[in-house]
Amino acid sequence: DVKVTQSSRYLVKRTGEKVFLECVQDMDHENMFWYRQDPGLGLRLIYFSYDVKMKEKGDIPEGYSVSREKKERFSLILESASTNQTSMYLCASSSLSGRQDNEQFFGPGTRLTVL
Amino acid sequence: RKEVEQDPGPFNVPEGATVAFNCTYSNSASQSFFWYRQDCRKEPKLLMSVYSSGNEDGRFTAQLNRASQYISLLIRDSKLSDSATYLCVVYTGKLIFGQGTTLQVKP
Repeated sequence: DVKVTQSSRYLVKRTGEKVFLECVQDMDHENMFWYRQDPGLGLRLIYFSYDVKMKEKGDIPEGYSVSREKKERFSLILESASTNQTSMYLCASSSLSGRQDNEQFFGPGTRLTVL
Repeated sequence: RKEVEQDPGPFNVPEGATVAFNCTYSNSASQSFFWYRQDCRKEPKLLMSVYSSGNEDGRFTAQLNRASQYISLLIRDSKLSDSATYLCVVYTGKLIFGQGTTLQVKP
């Protein structure tokens, strides 16, 4: 069974803080993704990675960066958190490097509140 | 216009009812189509892929209409456990998620 875990279910941070969201998958998947989910907007892709040390911008990368030093781990970094980054953050992974249309397995999500 | 559009609902139906959701997409070059299911406060999970010829999985039937650029999901004999948000997902070189349609099945 594929398992994707995220470091926190709930997180409260202050404006201007640097925030790290961690994601780990245990199925040796090549692809990893970070989304945010907001009411009325659906899931929007922030960044994705097809391989270790590789990253590509998604639709809304501004204000975020990522790190993939190991195949199983993909980190999302908010350099200076702002209130408009309050959201549900979902990590996902999938196999077949470079293909986004293979089944994606999601973590449980981190609900981030920025005050 | 959104690339993938769904009626957010909620659709409130009694147990045993048949319910159908549609989803329209704007890019005629879209290649692959999926329905994901998301339970309340949970992560999305793949429900089924949608093939050109249509496909069925138990009580669930998915269909694709390329000419009119929509996909549909039909649920027969609704169960209480079918209550969830159903996300339409379209692949156009990248995955585009619809905002989801919420289904509430009542006893």
